[in-house]
Amino acid sequence: EVQLQQSGAELGKPGTSVKLSCKVSGYNIRSTYMHWVNQRPGKGLEWIGRIDPANGNTIYAEKFKSKATLTADTSSNTAYMQLSQLKSDDTAIYFCAMEDYGWFAYWGQGTLVTVSS
Amino acid sequence: DIQMTQSPASLSASLGETVTIECRASEDIYNGLAWYQQKPGKSPQLLIYNANSLHTGVPSRFSGSGSGTQYSLKINSLQSEDVASYFCQQYYDYPWTFGGGTKLELK
Repeated sequence: EVQLQQSGAELGKPGTSVKLSCKVSGYNIRSTYMHWVNQRPGKGLEWIGRIDPANGNTIYAEKFKSKATLTADTSSNTAYMQLSQLKSDDTAIYFCAMEDYGWFAYWGQGTLVTVSS
Repeated sequence: DIQMTQSPASLSASLGETVTIECRASEDIYNGLAWYQQKPGKSPQLLIYNANSLHTGVPSRFSGSGSGTQYSLKINSLQSEDVASYFCQQYYDYPWTFGGGTKLELK
């Protein structure tokens, strides 16, 4: 059974960074792409970017190019996303998702990031 | 970027009713479209991929159709467990984009 287990809730101060993790079990992440999506309180879903864990290649949505950094560790089968220069607008739930030819059949449970001083 | 316009934003329907949610892309996405259901406090769950293929384990009362720039999700015989938000997503071209969502409630 494929499972994506995300790290716990984060409270970050404005201007700082946080690093979220997404550990995959039941599937080798070298054989897929890992994506990150956010959802601001009461809002819709927003695609942030994706990483190819096999070679580290990344694609980002334009607005997240200087905000998010995606990495992956194939030895631990874990994907990571670092969010930098946190602002109140970054308060959201962040989901990792595993791609299956374009669509997302598997999602993590989400990590709530709250930005507050 | 491809814009996904989803309608309606909210919908109220009765048990047993058939509901339809629409998604319009700003350009042809060649059936590169998925539909998700999200219940409060939960992750999105895949319902439909490739515009009209039912994901494993999804009840057959859900169906997807469309082509080009116009797509729809239909729920036949609405059940209480279908109360949720629904999102479309295009994966034809990067950056992948989602519709704004439809909140489905019981009348």
